[in-house]
Amino acid sequence: GENVEQHPSTLSVQEGDSAVIKCTYSDSASNYFPWYKQELGKGPQLIIDIRSNVGEKKDQRIAVTLNKTAKHFSLHITETQPEDSAVYFCAASKASSASKIIFGSGTRLSIRP
Amino acid sequence: NAGVTQTPKFRVLKTGQSMTLLCAQDMNHEYMYWYRQDPGMGLRLIHYSVGEGTTAKGEVPDGYNVSRLKKQNFLLGLESAAPSQTSVYFCASNPGGGSNQPQHFGDGTRLSIL
Repeated sequence: GENVEQHPSTLSVQEGDSAVIKCTYSDSASNYFPWYKQELGKGPQLIIDIRSNVGEKKDQRIAVTLNKTAKHFSLHITETQPEDSAVYFCAASKASSASKIIFGSGTRLSIRP
Repeated sequence: NAGVTQTPKFRVLKTGQSMTLLCAQDMNHEYMYWYRQDPGMGLRLIHYSVGEGTTAKGEVPDGYNVSRLKKQNFLLGLESAAPSQTSVYFCASNPGGGSNQPQHFGDGTRLSIL
């Protein structure tokens, strides 16, 4: 079936260093790839998204890259700060189906002071 | 602007009891979803709705029922709770017109079944 694999499941980086989280999707028809940040006791919140007609998108310290040929996309966080500690989820979806929003299993990011 | 509000935030039930989780959104979104979140398994879709009066099954619908009588509300029911339904439940909404829109999530309901 359709799925999204996310790696790593946990990631610990020194404050100020960069963090990279990678996802691979199986459905070649997927054309929308959002990333969500979930803080403790809260629901996931969108932090950045990318559509299939774009290879890279940046928003301050956060960037996402997409490789449609390889069917993988990545989240890059530069100059990490303590408030970046959270669980991050990737997702993939396509416009033809309201239910086909497939989430990765999540990455718990910890920023060491 | 409250966004997506879930009620209650916490609940403990005994096996066999029933309850209803309420989700309300004030963004006039067409699509609404119920997910469960379990450790290491990400978010799994239980049921969803693409408009008032419509519902459909997701990935893990067994043991749950839903209703969307009003556009702004989406109810999730457990008729006879089982320990396997211990989880964190998230409601989400989406403007509609296809799935290429970000999900707006509530802050979850933490449910324990003893």
